[in-house]
Amino acid sequence: IAGITQAPTSQILAAGRRMTLRCTQDMRHNAMYWYRQDLGLGLRLIHYSNTAGTTGKGEVPDGYSVSRANTDDFPLTLASAVPSQTSVYFCASSATDNSPLHFGNGTRLTVT
Amino acid sequence: RKEVEQDPGPFNVPEGATVAFNCTYSNSASQSFFWYRQDCRKEPKLLMSVYSSGNEDGRFTAQLNRASQYISLLIRDSKLSDSATYLCVVNHGGGTSYGKLTFGQGTILTVHP
Repeated sequence: IAGITQAPTSQILAAGRRMTLRCTQDMRHNAMYWYRQDLGLGLRLIHYSNTAGTTGKGEVPDGYSVSRANTDDFPLTLASAVPSQTSVYFCASSATDNSPLHFGNGTRLTVT
Repeated sequence: RKEVEQDPGPFNVPEGATVAFNCTYSNSASQSFFWYRQDCRKEPKLLMSVYSSGNEDGRFTAQLNRASQYISLLIRDSKLSDSATYLCVVNHGGGTSYGKLTFGQGTILTVHP
């Protein structure tokens, strides 16, 4: 593993189903983030974590939850998927709050 | 006013041209600034950080104007491979500012032969 790994790469999901997007980093970065990217809306922050054991809400947190049990992993869960959650999801990390972000290669999620 | 605004373009330029993008931000307390590049259906990748004194990396020059609250990116001698979307990113938090990064919507650049 080098950098940030996201899984799955893509997924088609029936509405109402539960789904967890996985994100793992090996850079020992303190902060991790989940963004969604939609045409015309750019990248929007869903949730973030300053350090292991803490999380915070971003701009569009509703319908999503996260956990940060350790430094490396930051899964994003959709408890009951809805079609409006169809998007490309990017996980990112940064060493400090003023450091640039490093992104995973994204998960393309389609909720039908 | 949006926190971070960019001209969405698209900018269509011939190879060898010089092109410049601007990005304005609304929060005067913003502390760090970056330009990212995003290729179609790929993740954003850091192009360069933007320092107060301005900085250059090969054909790319970034500048910050705190008084007018904008940053710019200049690309000289454009290559076909420069075609991408360029994202302006601003950290508009002070102190512990995790989660305070705001992305512009991106400027689309197409370089043609």
